[in-house]
Amino acid sequence: NAGVMQNPRHLVRRRGQEARLRCSPMKGHSHVYWYRQLPEEGLKFMVYLQKENIIDESGMPKERFSAEFPKEGPSILRIQQVVRGDSAAYFCASSQDGAGADTQYFGPGTRLTVL
Amino acid sequence: KNQVEQSPQSLIILEGKNCTLQCNYTVSPFSNLRWYKQDTGRGPVSLTIMTFSENTKSNGRYTATLDADTKQSSLHITASQLSDSASYICVVSANSGYSTLTFGKGTMLLVSP
Repeated sequence: NAGVMQNPRHLVRRRGQEARLRCSPMKGHSHVYWYRQLPEEGLKFMVYLQKENIIDESGMPKERFSAEFPKEGPSILRIQQVVRGDSAAYFCASSQDGAGADTQYFGPGTRLTVL
Repeated sequence: KNQVEQSPQSLIILEGKNCTLQCNYTVSPFSNLRWYKQDTGRGPVSLTIMTFSENTKSNGRYTATLDADTKQSSLHITASQLSDSASYICVVSANSGYSTLTFGKGTMLLVSP
């Protein structure tokens, strides 16, 4: 049973380009969460999705950032017109039912560097 | 504002020694508290999860405690090994009906031979 998969593991973009980060949850998991980790900082919640629905996007910047979790395929975190401040590690987690004590399993992360 | 504070920020111990990491939180309403281990360049891996009614939980050489009255938790590592070198993150979940988490910044542990 493969764990949470994220790709690419490393992504380099120039300012103004678009970044697309992919996350495939664990088999049987329909809840996906995206987090951002800045250097020397803790992980910060960005968005919580179920299949085809955004449940909570309160941690995601209103502009340039979007997320989706289509019926088929991986969840995508999209960052348009990237800026240097977007450089961070982006982690995806998945869980089985999204309830309070449900364990979230994390992927290895995508490290985005904006030049 | 929900916050999780961890101490110490970093810690160096000799292989074979024990250590205790601390976590204080102000998350309301409290649902559960988790400790994660994050190796450098990897995603966090769950060690323990405790709900309001649980005071202690063990996972091998890791033992977590929870005092919901004082809103404190600790993670005790026994007989440390070199592979224990990692960041240990305290994570608290608010009772919002689903699992959105507040993360501490972590304690960076280095186990030295």
